Amino acid sequence: DAKTTQPPSMDCAEGRAANLPCNHSTISGNEYVYWYRQIHSQGPQYIIHGLKNNETNEMASLIITEDRKSSTLILPHATLRDTAVYYCIVRSNTNAGKSTFGDGTTLTVKP
Amino acid sequence: KAGVTQTPRYLIKTRGQQVTLSCSPISGHRSVSWYQQTPGQGLQFLFEYFSETQRNKGNFPGRFSGRQFSNSRSEMNVSTLELGDSALYLCASSLVGGSHTGELFFGEGSRLTVL
Repeated sequence: DAKTTQPPSMDCAEGRAANLPCNHSTISGNEYVYWYRQIHSQGPQYIIHGLKNNETNEMASLIITEDRKSSTLILPHATLRDTAVYYCIVRSNTNAGKSTFGDGTTLTVKP
Repeated sequence: KAGVTQTPRYLIKTRGQQVTLSCSPISGHRSVSWYQQTPGQGLQFLFEYFSETQRNKGNFPGRFSGRQFSNSRSEMNVSTLELGDSALYLCASSLVGGSHTGELFFGEGSRLTVL
């Protein structure tokens, strides 16, 4: 699995957009970008994933650069409940179980 | 649809004992994987089972083992417990193959404390 690099922490004001970056310069052609988040002491929660096109769902948007070497997770209107550790993972869609989680980004949403 | 269910949620053991943790995946999910989470090491992959066969294994000693049953439920076992085995053990299930794109769905975890 490709290695990812994320900033260790970020702050965001409540109601504003939170933009969480992820670098994955060694991504392979068949590898997807997945985002998960983990609220303290709970199991990680799937947010969104993409291959090369931008994606949007009810939780977030995922922007992947054209060269696919980096991506940004966007939470359009952050709330206090979005405070969590956000993990960016890169892997193929097979071998789903064996995912490599890095240290993630701790997002703190402030009132 | 029910989510991933892990039991027990909390347990306390002493060094040298063994422990068995259980995971029931989402209905229809045949892949079950296990992760260990500690403050120092983060989330680390233990193993993955698919159709009752271990498909992948992480870098953990042989004291950590698992199995999967025909109904896709899985158990993991840790023998001869050490203090360092204190952790949150997370189970995740996923659909594999075909058009499925492999999202993992995690349970709430089993928090093991070894005294």
